[in-house]
Amino acid sequence: AQSVTQPDIHITVSEGASLELRCNYSYGATPYLFWYVQSPGQGLQLLLKYFSGDTLVQGIKGFEAEFKRSQSSFNLRKPSVHWSDAAEYFCAVGPLNSGGYQKVTFGTGTKLQVIP
Amino acid sequence: DTEVTQTPKHLVMGMTNKKSLKCEQHMGHRAMYWYKQKAKKPPELMFVYSYEKLSINESVPSRFSPECPNSSLLNLHLHALQPEDSALYLCASRDSGTGGFPLHFGNGTRLTVT
Repeated sequence: AQSVTQPDIHITVSEGASLELRCNYSYGATPYLFWYVQSPGQGLQLLLKYFSGDTLVQGIKGFEAEFKRSQSSFNLRKPSVHWSDAAEYFCAVGPLNSGGYQKVTFGTGTKLQVIP
Repeated sequence: DTEVTQTPKHLVMGMTNKKSLKCEQHMGHRAMYWYKQKAKKPPELMFVYSYEKLSINESVPSRFSPECPNSSLLNLHLHALQPEDSALYLCASRDSGTGGFPLHFGNGTRLTVT
């Protein structure tokens, strides 16, 4: 079964510092991988996606992620965090490779706190 | 601004009420989703419609009744809900086929059942 693991429930970084959020997946084939961000009480906004090709993908708001097949990882990075980046971040994988091909599975999320 | 519009933003209902959540998109997407999200949890899939037909029901209780009247509109009818159904209900859409990702989400409806 496909699954997504985000090992860090909560991360605190100083404004201006670099950020890396971890994501590991278990999947039977080449997955589609996504990072979403959610501010309190809001919907999910897509930061970036990986389907194939270049393993380093650029997203919105200065974020990037690197797909590493050997490590089954898709970590999210940002070189300099801004206070407005404080939010919940979800890694997701899809589609499910059997039957319900339309499903997207979300990780448990990482809450990012930014301190001045 | 999100391209998936959900109304209302907030809804408070009693356990004997009947209410509906509405979701609309005009991106020409042919797959639409309902997710439920409890506080501090990831979204959980409830239903998927593909070409206006229900294709996935994740064993959701019958007090939740989805409807897709046309390719742009998705409703979720609520009846006899329980307080534990209080959550953020998210609608999402995407283009058709396995290559039609990613999902585009609305801002959700915050539901409180009293």
